[in-house]
Amino acid sequence: DAGVTQSPTHLIKTRGQQVTLRCSPKSGHDTVSWYQQALGQGPQFIFQYYEEEERQRGNFPDRFSGHQFPNYSSELNVNALLLGDSALYLCASSLQARGSGELFFGEGSRLTVL
Amino acid sequence: AQSVSQHNHHVILSEAASLELGCNYSYGGTVNLFWYVQYPGQHLQLLLKYFSGDPLVKGIKGFEAEFIKSKFSFNLRKPSVQWSDTAEYFCAVNADTGFQKLVFGTGTRLLVSP
Repeated sequence: DAGVTQSPTHLIKTRGQQVTLRCSPKSGHDTVSWYQQALGQGPQFIFQYYEEEERQRGNFPDRFSGHQFPNYSSELNVNALLLGDSALYLCASSLQARGSGELFFGEGSRLTVL
Repeated sequence: AQSVSQHNHHVILSEAASLELGCNYSYGGTVNLFWYVQYPGQHLQLLLKYFSGDPLVKGIKGFEAEFIKSKFSFNLRKPSVQWSDTAEYFCAVNADTGFQKLVFGTGTRLLVSP
């Protein structure tokens, strides 16, 4: 049973560029959430996708956007990258029917913006 | 806005010592509470969770946590730590219980010396 998988694991971009991160949820899960973890900080909620729609959004600018596909996988896109976007981006999956059930996290994509 | 405070950023213990990590949250309504652990080089994993009922919850690997509603606290404990407990520990709260959106603390790095 595959857990949450994310790609790429590491990437380096320059300011102003755009990046796309990908996530495949744990088998059987239908909800994907994205978190940003800056160095020395806890993960911060970016947004959550269910039924291919954004259901909730944290305090992040519109430069951060996402998508969920019919197979429940998801992408996180960040446009016009800033130095401050350097962080570990975590994908978490869950089963919506479980309500406040457990989130399963991937190992993350580490983004460095130069 | 909800927030989670973890008072200890770094903790160093010897094996067999007792552990208590503090966690306080700010939200007056119904909450679900979690402790996640991140072992070196691994993804975030659920250690234990509290939804309702007995305020003393037991998790994996001998960890337990006590929910004290009057103190808005959910402290993590272990009677006797092992070297393998070396990890970063995150407390998290979900106050928006329909959306599985977690607010994390900044984490506590635990180093257990053999």
